[in-house]
Amino acid sequence: AQSVTQLDSQVPVFEEAPVELRCNYSSSVSVYLFWYVQYPNQGLQLLLKYLSGSTLVESINGFEAEFNKSQTSFHLRKPSVHISDTAEYFCAVSAGSGSARQLTFGSGTQLTVLP
Amino acid sequence: DTAVSQTPKYLVTQMGNDKSIKCEQNLGHDTMYWYKQDSKKFLKIMFSYNNKELIINETVPNRFSPKSPDKAHLNLHINSLELGDSAVYFCASSQAGTSKGDTQYFGPGTRLTVL
Repeated sequence: AQSVTQLDSQVPVFEEAPVELRCNYSSSVSVYLFWYVQYPNQGLQLLLKYLSGSTLVESINGFEAEFNKSQTSFHLRKPSVHISDTAEYFCAVSAGSGSARQLTFGSGTQLTVLP
Repeated sequence: DTAVSQTPKYLVTQMGNDKSIKCEQNLGHDTMYWYKQDSKKFLKIMFSYNNKELIINETVPNRFSPKSPDKAHLNLHINSLELGDSAVYFCASSQAGTSKGDTQYFGPGTRLTVL
């Protein structure tokens, strides 16, 4: 079984400051890793994902995450945040095979960008 | 074009009633899921179906019954609604066993309130 730990439930940060949202996972098999974002009263949107290859993955809106196998981490970073980045961010791990592959979510981190 | 759609968006009902939530995806995926997001925003998988067959059935009361008439639809029927069923329910879909890592795409959610 896999699990995901998001170490910070709330992260307030000022506009244009850098931010890091932390995510650690545990799994006995190889995994795929995801970050999803949920804006207020909306569904989940895929932000970025790691499947294989380069350990650094980027999103179109300036976020990046680095897969660190030795530390079992997949932290999300952005060098300069905007007010519009305020949202709940979920880290997720996918393990298993074929149609039984299951996505397990962390408890979420509320990012609040302050003016 | 909506990829994963759910109806209704909001559902308010009395305890003891029976209700259904519908989900449709037009992505051509073969796997669909139902998740429950509680008041603390914790996301937990309830069911997954692959090509109309039940694959994952987590510990969910048997008052919840998923039905998949075809691989583009996965409906959730809930009998004898209880106060604790109040939550946001998300439908998702993915294509199993692809190079995209079974990335799941989510619907906008259905906010169920049981009075």
